[in-house]
Amino acid sequence: ELKVEQNPLFLSMQEGKNYTIYCNYSTTSDRLYWYRQDPGKSLESLFVLLSNGAVKQEGRLMASLDTKARLSTLHITAAVHDLSATYFCAVGSYSGGGADGLTFGKGTHLIIQP
Amino acid sequence: KAGVTQTPRYLIKTRGQQVTLSCSPISGHRSVSWYQQTPGQGLQFLFEYFSETQRNKGNFPGRFSGRQFSNSRSEMNVSTLELGDSALYLCASSFTGTTNYGYTFGSGTRLTVV
Repeated sequence: ELKVEQNPLFLSMQEGKNYTIYCNYSTTSDRLYWYRQDPGKSLESLFVLLSNGAVKQEGRLMASLDTKARLSTLHITAAVHDLSATYFCAVGSYSGGGADGLTFGKGTHLIIQP
Repeated sequence: KAGVTQTPRYLIKTRGQQVTLSCSPISGHRSVSWYQQTPGQGLQFLFEYFSETQRNKGNFPGRFSGRQFSNSRSEMNVSTLELGDSALYLCASSFTGTTNYGYTFGSGTRLTVV
């Protein structure tokens, strides 16, 4: 059974600081997704990582994937208040039918204070 | 380009009743997945449909069922509702379900069982 662990689950940080969210998963997969969720809202896709060593950046967020270590990171650079949200990583797994079902981590609740 | 449309947005039902939720994927997307989000269990995969066929199913009781129509619209049904079924139900669409482009989520249906 695929397990996805995120840490930390809660993070309070100051504007301007850097931090990293970690996502470990238990079985082989080369499909790793990062999503953002604002309170009461749906999931917004941030990054899709599909190969070992993949690195993607969008603004102050950068995500990477190490499939050998079964680890993805989401790095926040010079945080701003607008980045306050809950961040989820999700791992795609193949089924016999050929379709991915995403297994999500529990999410990291990020609060960025001025 | 229209996004993923879920209806209704909110529902209140009584224990023992049944409920049907609807999801219209992005035009051209043939895969629809359903997820349940609760504070306790987080985001959990329910099932995935592609071309009117269920290809993958999560670990939920048989009270949870779904179907997909020829126009790719999908419905999920929950029979004999229990208090624990109160959740945000999200659907996600993609081109094929084994996507390199990520999944686009709808705004969700918030179901409250009383």
